[in-house]
Amino acid sequence: SQQGEEDPQALSIQEGENATMNCSYKTSINNLQWYRQNSGRGLVHLILIRSNEREKHSGRLRVTLDTSKKSSSLLITASRAADTASYFCATDEGNGNKLVFGAGTILRVKS
Amino acid sequence: ETGVTQTPRHLVMGMTNKKSLKCEQHLGHNAMYWYKQSAKKPLELMFVYNFKEQTENNSVPSRFSPECPNSSHLFLHLHTLQPEDSALYLCASSQGDSSWNEQFFGPGTRLTVL
Repeated sequence: SQQGEEDPQALSIQEGENATMNCSYKTSINNLQWYRQNSGRGLVHLILIRSNEREKHSGRLRVTLDTSKKSSSLLITASRAADTASYFCATDEGNGNKLVFGAGTILRVKS
Repeated sequence: ETGVTQTPRHLVMGMTNKKSLKCEQHLGHNAMYWYKQSAKKPLELMFVYNFKEQTENNSVPSRFSPECPNSSHLFLHLHTLQPEDSALYLCASSQGDSSWNEQFFGPGTRLTVL
């Protein structure tokens, strides 16, 4: 079953603009993670947010989590062409075990 | 550089062929994973190994056979595959198999089944 669903499926912005991607999930969770995948490559871990956290920052990344709405958002500020990639959220479905990934958001940053 | 390597990077095989995918991690991790990534579909977990023991088999067809001889190496043996098995196969590793551990991914093997 698909736990995380990203929205939008695709996003195209100009360099310097902010990009916001959303993730919704179905079950309770212990943590939610965001990963990036450049074309034809493996995924790279970006950030993990615990279920008792509401916001977390890492460089130009800001992640929010609303457990009452079962949703998370990833904000990339001052985007760069190098941010062009697919972004995935992943959750553990509350069992602390395997991660379940969403289908991802394809971000294109135009220079 | 993620510390997880996969070979081959590309593989084309017929439905009657037997081939193997190899994954090696140089990070000292104890858990290793196989994922399947098909176009426009979520990443699908296939197998999980922790300390060489299989801890998860996500209802994967028997034509996919994993092997984990030690904590650094993971294989996926392929036999009598179908065209719908064409996908990017990703290997990952983590310190342990808990979801709290960051997973490190290899670049993947792009598999095409004719």
